Amino acid sequence: GQQLNQSPQSMFIQEGEDVSMNCTSSSIFNTWLWYKQDPGEGPVLLIALYKAGELTSNGRLTAQFGITRKDSFLNISASIPSDVGIYFCAGQASGNTPLVFGKGTRLSVIA
Amino acid sequence: DAGVTQSPTHLIKTRGQQVTLRCSPISGHKSVSWYQQVLGQGPQFIFQYYEKEERGRGNFPDRFSARQFPNYSSELNVNALLLGDSALYLCASSRAPSSYNEQFFGPGTRLTVL
Repeated sequence: GQQLNQSPQSMFIQEGEDVSMNCTSSSIFNTWLWYKQDPGEGPVLLIALYKAGELTSNGRLTAQFGITRKDSFLNISASIPSDVGIYFCAGQASGNTPLVFGKGTRLSVIA
Repeated sequence: DAGVTQSPTHLIKTRGQQVTLRCSPISGHKSVSWYQQVLGQGPQFIFQYYEKEERGRGNFPDRFSARQFPNYSSELNVNALLLGDSALYLCASSRAPSSYNEQFFGPGTRLTVL
């Protein structure tokens, strides 16, 4: 099935560093979502974006809906050990279509 | 309030067998979606149900079926299991079909097909 292109695939960073990851699609989406998944659990929604160019923050997390509507970005500032996990982007093309997920970015934080 | 619950937590089956997975949504949520997450991949949409009606179906063979009960709980059935069906099966609930900003996932059922 279709999956979004998410990069990087994995990251190893030092505690306190900032993190950037992105997600691209060959088609336009009307909604972009970012999730975090911890081992043994389902994904948890971090940020939802509904408008091209929108920039939304949730604590140390900031996400942007690309103006082309074919990409989205997630930044994490001042990373901490509990940021470890897999981050997924997901997009929805229209109100009647299902979510399409990326393959995930695995984040490791070195204390 | 309890979150989305799924049972069983883990399951081991052999090829050709049939399996039924169960999901109880958050109280007040009438929409349930099922996803398959193969190791190392993101979730793939299988089905969505709302008010006991199928609202969407992903690109999965007819061996996969689901239903939603009057209390909004749901079952996912997979017949004639293949090795490739081994995955984490996630259930997610929301008040309405496209309310993704308030869609919550359960912990999943880990299915292993031998």
